[in-house]
Amino acid sequence: GQQVMQIPQYQHVQEGEDFTTYCNSSTTLSNIQWYKQRPGGHPVFLIQLVKSGEVKKQKRLTFQFGEAKKNSSLHITATQTTDVGTYFCAGNTGKLIFGQGTTLQVKP
Amino acid sequence: NAGVTQTPKFQVLKTGQSMTLQCAQDMNHEYMSWYRQDPGMGLRLIHYSVGAGITDQGEVPNGYNVSRSTTEDFPLRLLSAAPSQTSVYFCASSYSNPTGGSNQPQHFGDGTRLSIL
Repeated sequence: GQQVMQIPQYQHVQEGEDFTTYCNSSTTLSNIQWYKQRPGGHPVFLIQLVKSGEVKKQKRLTFQFGEAKKNSSLHITATQTTDVGTYFCAGNTGKLIFGQGTTLQVKP
Repeated sequence: NAGVTQTPKFQVLKTGQSMTLQCAQDMNHEYMSWYRQDPGMGLRLIHYSVGAGITDQGEVPNGYNVSRSTTEDFPLRLLSAAPSQTSVYFCASSYSNPTGGSNQPQHFGDGTRLSIL
């Protein structure tokens, strides 16, 4: 069954508010990737985290990998309408298992 | 470079029909994979290939066959379509196996939207 759980499933925010999505695995992950899918589009790679406790930033996006390498988060500061889409984590359990995704809606 | 090309973009089938979804990449990537995307389920791995002549099953392989006779092409065959196979299908490729530890982003095609009546 699904080994990588992602919450929340949906998030509606006002433009300028922050947003966070969380990924949790039942098993230790070798690494984790994050993807963004715009409405009607295909997933696009954002970043990969490998080390325990790793934190990486891309402009307003902050990615974290937990100390136990079983959870990860993506935080967006001061959302913009261009951030709309579905964000997926993909955990490496020996196979790349995607979470269910968090769909972000931003109200201007 | 075209990247990952999937054809067709849309298809409607009747239950019991067979069909092949095409996927081609021009990046000389060794690793290719097929996913299906259903609402609330994320992307589920159907089959994958780590190189020409090598294929393996993913999470949801039943009802699907694949082959990898060349590095560039990785077709997905539905043997006898069922309504439960109505979905959006994505093909993806990466330079090498993304579970191998090094940073291997997957490049996705635009998807095939398949409806089984």
